[in-house]
Amino acid sequence: DVKVTQSSRYLVKRTGEKVFLECVQDMDHENMFWYRQDPGLGLRLIYFSYDVKMKEKGDIPEGYSVSREKKERFSLILESASTNQTSMYLCATQTPGQGSGEQFFGPGTRLTVL
Amino acid sequence: EDKVVQSPLSLVVHEGDTVTLNCSYEVTNFRSLLWYKQEKKAPTFLFMLTSSGIEKKSGRLSSILDKKELFSILNITATQTGDSAIYLCAVPTYNFNKFYFGSGTKLNVKP
Repeated sequence: DVKVTQSSRYLVKRTGEKVFLECVQDMDHENMFWYRQDPGLGLRLIYFSYDVKMKEKGDIPEGYSVSREKKERFSLILESASTNQTSMYLCATQTPGQGSGEQFFGPGTRLTVL
Repeated sequence: EDKVVQSPLSLVVHEGDTVTLNCSYEVTNFRSLLWYKQEKKAPTFLFMLTSSGIEKKSGRLSSILDKKELFSILNITATQTGDSAIYLCAVPTYNFNKFYFGSGTKLNVKP
């Protein structure tokens, strides 16, 4: 079974704080993704990574950065948190060329920025 | 611009009803369409569809793809309260490097 874990289920931070969200997977998947999910907007891609130290911007990268120093770990960084970054953050992994093509999701981190 | 659109955005039914959820897409170099169910936390995979007209079935859930009209439907028969969830539709790029998600359909099944 693929296991994708995220560092926190719930997080409360103050405006201007630097925030780290971590995602770890145990299945040696090449691709890793960070999404945010807001009511009525579905999942929006922030960044994805297709290999160690490789990253590409998604649809809404502004205000975020990422780090992938090891294959199993993909971090999302909010350099200076703002209230409009209050959201559910989901990490996902996937192996290109895998038969089903499905993504495997972590449990999510619900971030509140005050 | 590539996009995936789901309808309705939300739906309230009673146990035993049959529901149909819709997903239309415009994605370059289409390869497959995926359905997920999301309850309290992480989305879980339901189906992947690649070929038109071939129904995928799992218990009371079934799904079909129409590549000519660029849409898919997800049917749930004899709904139960445990079917209450957000149902997400996603279309990956050809190399699976990016997934386009719809906004989801929030289904509420009342006893």
